[in-house]
Amino acid sequence: DAGITQSPRHKVTETGTPVTLRCHQTENHRYMYWYRQDPGHGLRLIHYSYGVKDTDKGEVSDGYSVSRSKTEDFLLTLESATSSQTSVYFCAIGGGGSYNEQFFGPGTRLTVL
Amino acid sequence: AQTVTQSQPEMSVQEAETVTLSCTYDTSESDYYLFWYKQPPSRQMILVIRQEAYKQQNATENRFSVNFQKAAKSFSLKISDSQLGDAAMYFCAYRRSTGNQFYFGTGTSLTVIP
Repeated sequence: DAGITQSPRHKVTETGTPVTLRCHQTENHRYMYWYRQDPGHGLRLIHYSYGVKDTDKGEVSDGYSVSRSKTEDFLLTLESATSSQTSVYFCAIGGGGSYNEQFFGPGTRLTVL
Repeated sequence: AQTVTQSQPEMSVQEAETVTLSCTYDTSESDYYLFWYKQPPSRQMILVIRQEAYKQQNATENRFSVNFQKAAKSFSLKISDSQLGDAAMYFCAYRRSTGNQFYFGTGTSLTVIP
C-alpha cells in the first residue's frame, strides 16, 4: 500500500470554526489531491497540488484553501466550517506524468454541527 | 469538464455468479486512462483495474475484466465468480493522458448474496 496517512481520522466541529486536515505521504509523489465524498456525488475534487507551493482549484473549491510547504504534506483548511462541508475527505497521490493511477489515504470523516 | 456516468446506483449478484457494472464517459480526447476503484465498508479506496485508451485489448485482473468500447465511450467492469468480499461501492474514473485531474462517477453499490 502507498504510504499515505490522514489526520485526524474523525472530527466533530461547530459551524464557523476553522478546521485543518492533514495529508502526509512517504512516496515522494509530486501530485497530491483533496477530494470530498458525498452520497450521490461520488468523489469531487477540491484542490490539488503539482509541487511544493504549486496548487490549483478543483470542482468544489469554494470555502476551502490548501497549502503545501513540503513534498510530503498537503493541508486542507476549511476557513469557516459550514454544515454543508460535513463529508468524508480523501487525500490522494499520484496520477501525474508517468504515474497513471491515484492512491488514496484512509479518509477523514468531518461533521460540522 | 469531463463527465463520468454510472447509471446503476445499486446492483446485486448471487455468490459465484457474474455481474457487470456500467460506466460511460464523455470526452473529446483520443488518449486517456480509465479506472475502476473499489470502496469496501472500510472506506479505503482500492484500485481494481485500469485501461489505457490506446490499447485495444481489454484489461484483465484475475476475476475482474473490462469491456472497453472506445467509440461508444463505454467502460464496463465484469466480476466473475463473485465473492462475498466483492461487496463494495465501485467507482469508475477517467483521466486525460496529459492531465492531472481525475473525474469520478457517482458509484455503484454492489451487494453479493450468499
